[in-house]
Amino acid sequence: AQKVTQAQTEISVVEKEDVTLDCVYETRDTTYYLFWYKQPPSGELVFLIRRNSFDEQNEISGRYSWNFQKSTSSFNFTITASQVVDSAVYFCALRDYNTDKLIFGTGTRLQVFP
Amino acid sequence: NAGVTQTPKFQVLKTGQSMTLQCAQDMNHEYMSWYRQDPGMGLRLIHYSVGAGITDQGEVPNGYNVSRSTTEDFPLRLLSAAPSQTSVYFCASSSGNHPNTEAFFGQGTRLTVV
Repeated sequence: AQKVTQAQTEISVVEKEDVTLDCVYETRDTTYYLFWYKQPPSGELVFLIRRNSFDEQNEISGRYSWNFQKSTSSFNFTITASQVVDSAVYFCALRDYNTDKLIFGTGTRLQVFP
Repeated sequence: NAGVTQTPKFQVLKTGQSMTLQCAQDMNHEYMSWYRQDPGMGLRLIHYSVGAGITDQGEVPNGYNVSRSTTEDFPLRLLSAAPSQTSVYFCASSSGNHPNTEAFFGQGTRLTVV
């Protein structure tokens, strides 16, 4: 069965700290896609990144970076020099290749204090 | 660009009432789906569709019906609302022909059943 685990329910940091959000996934598919979404207090879901199973390159986008490791089935997300605006719930998701269904983790609530 | 449009944004129902949550997308996406978001449980798939005329059940389908008569629309029907259906509902669409793209989400519908 496919599953996504975000073990960290809630993380609190002070502004400018670095923070890593963990994501572990399970799938038997050889082709799959992983995503991170951000849900700010306003409630909408904001797409951050996707990664396919054949591309293990890490990615950096400004203060955001992602570490994809197939060997440990992990797709972790790091925010460098966090800011108050980063406060949100972050979801990791796995997409079923055949049906496009998204399997979400339970989310990690990040609170960044000034 | 409208993207995915959900209506209404907020709704209060009495137990036993029925209603339809509307979802429309203007991106000609084949895949559409409905999720519900409950505290501590992430987003869970209710129903999904891989094209007009084709629907299937997700993880939590009980109490909900869907139909897909056109590519653009994917309404979600609550037949007899129950307090357990109090939740935030998200509709999503994605392009099945281009799996390396993200799912686009509507703004969400906050439903309260009293």
